[in-house]
Amino acid sequence: GDSVTQMEGPVTLSEEAFLTINCTYTATGYPSLFWYVQYPGEGLQLLLKATKADDKGSNKGFEATYRKETTSFHLEKGSVQVSDSAVYFCALSDYGGSQGNLIFGKGTKLSVKP
Amino acid sequence: EADIYQTPRYLVIGTGKKITLECSQTMGHDKMYWYQQDPGMELHLIHYSYGVNSTEKGDLSSESTVSRIRTEHFPLTLESARPSHTSQYLCASSKIPQGEYETQYFGPGTRLLVL
Repeated sequence: GDSVTQMEGPVTLSEEAFLTINCTYTATGYPSLFWYVQYPGEGLQLLLKATKADDKGSNKGFEATYRKETTSFHLEKGSVQVSDSAVYFCALSDYGGSQGNLIFGKGTKLSVKP
Repeated sequence: EADIYQTPRYLVIGTGKKITLECSQTMGHDKMYWYQQDPGMELHLIHYSYGVNSTEKGDLSSESTVSRIRTEHFPLTLESARPSHTSQYLCASSKIPQGEYETQYFGPGTRLLVL
């Protein structure tokens, strides 16, 4: 079945450091890919998305590119801030394999120190 | 900003009690979901609904039940709470998409502690 694998945390960085959170997927069809973020004490919110191969999603300085050849959707940010401290979830949606529901990775906790 | 609400935000209750977690959305979304989030942060889909009078079980077996009598309302009920039900419960909603993907909007969650 469909699945998402993302790097385990926690990840601790200093402010202004470069961030990469790896995400790879397995899907039966042609999924859409997402990054969601969960700030402390809150629900999840969509950070960015990409719906087809080579698409780049971007938001708030974060970027991720849909790489079909490597089945990956790695999240990057050039300079993190303390306010980016949160849990990040990679997810896919595939009508062929998941009835259109989201399949989430296990989440990566990011802590940014001043 | 998403308009999806959950009450209560926190609940501490004794074993054997019946509880209902409320979820409402004002976006007119047809599809709604309940997730259970364990302390390790992993999300598990336990129920979803395509619309009024539709309920489906998710990937994780759950002793909870849901109902969908109104589009905007998707309550989750535990008939007899147990300590193993202690978790965070997240509600979400989405439009049934025309295309291939759906953006889900999440509520703030209910933290349940069963003693």
